[in-house]
Amino acid sequence: AQKITQTQPGMFVQEKEAVTLDCTYDTSDQSYGLFWYKQPSSGEMIFLIYQGSYDEQNATEGRYSLNFQKARKSANLVISASQLGDSAMYFCAMREGFSGYSTLTFGKGTMLLVSP
Amino acid sequence: KAGVTQTPRYLIKTRGQQVTLSCSPISGHRSVSWYQQTPGQGLQFLFEYFSETQRNKGNFPGRFSGRQFSNSRSEMNVSTLELGDSALYLCASSLNPGQGKELFFGEGSRLTVL
Repeated sequence: AQKITQTQPGMFVQEKEAVTLDCTYDTSDQSYGLFWYKQPSSGEMIFLIYQGSYDEQNATEGRYSLNFQKARKSANLVISASQLGDSAMYFCAMREGFSGYSTLTFGKGTMLLVSP
Repeated sequence: KAGVTQTPRYLIKTRGQQVTLSCSPISGHRSVSWYQQTPGQGLQFLFEYFSETQRNKGNFPGRFSGRQFSNSRSEMNVSTLELGDSALYLCASSLNPGQGKELFFGEGSRLTVL
């Protein structure tokens, strides 16, 4: 079974609108971390936001927020007021357990296109 | 401060050759991990180094190897290149392994095998 599932291969949104990118995860660990990265065509993976499994508040970083629903094992990324520069691939990733490793498991990604 | 630096950014090799990629982590970061990204398989973990020791390894053949130096810089090597090794190789650095949200990637090294 996939550990990270991103069901939306592509999403279209108009500039200034909000958009939600879906991510569900599967783990039996109690301690884990969830990451969202943006990858423009240049290839660099840009860190957007992080949510720890014990964090009670949903994470926010500027225009990015993470809608964390632990019972449903979902960690959706919400981008408010989309900008043309937001067009990119978006990856959800998970780091599991107290293993002391930084290993991330990634989803397949969602391509976001923002139109004027 | 400077981000994660990967060199070279682009390279072309032929089958059977070997390649070495370099990654300089963010200053103060001691953990370096490597990922391979291909259109078919997506992002897959290769290995992770901390304090010059390989801490974790993904499911890749022995042709893929790496090392970390005392200054935390890391190299990965792929020997006997195959067409399927064509990929974007990404390096990520963190302060210490498995902690917090400090996990930043470089721009990657794009390898093409002909």
